[in-house]
This record gives sequence, C-alpha cells and structure tokens, in this order.
Amino acid sequence: LAKTTQPISMDSYEGQEVNITCSHNNIATNDYITWYQQFPSQGPRFIIQGYKTKVTNEVASLFIPADRKSSTLSLPRVSLSDTAVYYCLVGDGGALTFGSGTRLQVQP
Amino acid sequence: EPEVTQTPSHQVTQMGQEVILRCVPISNHLYFYWYRQILGQKVEFLVSFYNNEISEKSEIFDDQFSVERPDGSNFTLKIRSTKLEDSAMYFCASSVAGGRHTGELFFGEGSRLTVL
Repeated sequence: LAKTTQPISMDSYEGQEVNITCSHNNIATNDYITWYQQFPSQGPRFIIQGYKTKVTNEVASLFIPADRKSSTLSLPRVSLSDTAVYYCLVGDGGALTFGSGTRLQVQP
Repeated sequence: EPEVTQTPSHQVTQMGQEVILRCVPISNHLYFYWYRQILGQKVEFLVSFYNNEISEKSEIFDDQFSVERPDGSNFTLKIRSTKLEDSAMYFCASSVAGGRHTGELFFGEGSRLTVL
C-alpha cells in the first residue's frame, strides 16, 4: 500500500482558500487518490476522489500532477465549519489505510 | 440523503463480556466494512464483507472478532471476550462498488465502546 505524507496541521482564516498537499511517492498504477474529512466523534466523510489531472466537485478540487506522486486538495473560501481532520488516502479498494491526517483549524 | 446507521451509539461493558455492534448499510450498497478508531489515534481498517463472506481483513481482526449479515439489512460486528484495549469508536461503512476502484465509502456515525 502506498504511504502518504501530509502536514500534521494547518491554520487558516474564514474566506481563504486552503490547499493541503499530500505526497505519495510509491503510488501504484491502479491506485486512486481519495480525500476524507473527519469531525470529532464522527465517521470520516468522503470529499473527493481522482486518478489524474484535476477533479472538481461542489466542495473541493483535487489537483494531481502527471507523475501522480503528490496531490493537492483545495478548499475554496473555508468557513469555521471546515475545521476538521483531512485524510489523503491512496489505494484501489475498500480496505482504506488512514494516516494521521492534517488537522485544519479555521479561525474567524 | 441515504445514510449508514449504527447502534448503539455508546456501549459500556465489562471486560470479558461479548458485544454486538449493529449497522444498517445503505440499501443498494453491496460492500460493507468495519473500521475502528481508538481515542486520539488513526482510523484502522478491520474487515470488509461482500456476498456474505469476508473479502479482506486486517491483523487486528483476529478470532475475537466476527461479522455477520443476519438478514437483508443488518451488518453486525461481534467482539467476544472484550479487553480493555478494545475500547474505541467502531465505524461501519458501505459502498456500492468494491475491489478495484471502490469509490466512495459511506461511514456511519460510529458506536463508542467502553470496556471497563
């Protein structure tokens, strides 16, 4: 399973764009890149998934360079409610391996 | 919006007792999972289940654990002879697809197990 590395924590202010980068140097050909969000005492919640280039949905964008060795989750105009832990996962099945994630703190 | 539901939300048990955690996955999903998260630690995969059998399990999922889909809607995790270190939040999840390119996993709100 590909190992992922992401910052332990990030701070931002309301209204700013937040970019969280994850490195996954040994990603395999079949692997997808998926990001989940987790609030305290709640289950992880799917944010976005991609394989290459750029993926956008109503809450985030995912940028994946051609070599796929890293990816960047972009959250536009964050609010206080975006304060959570964000996990980058790499794999192709349901047996997800969660790392420590990035703890995002959004301040007013 | 369809969701995965879990019961109980919190269970307190004595060491050595058996516990059954219940989950109702989203109705058209075919793949089911259990994960756990010890307080302050990572979310850990326990087991995946498809077509009435275990498709994958982690090292954590030893003989103390078992899963079952007793009817068309419930998916249960049984923990026999609970230990103090089994105290954790247990999350059930389900997905439409599995195997290669599983896509989105939908997680429940979790069942907090406290073993005294």
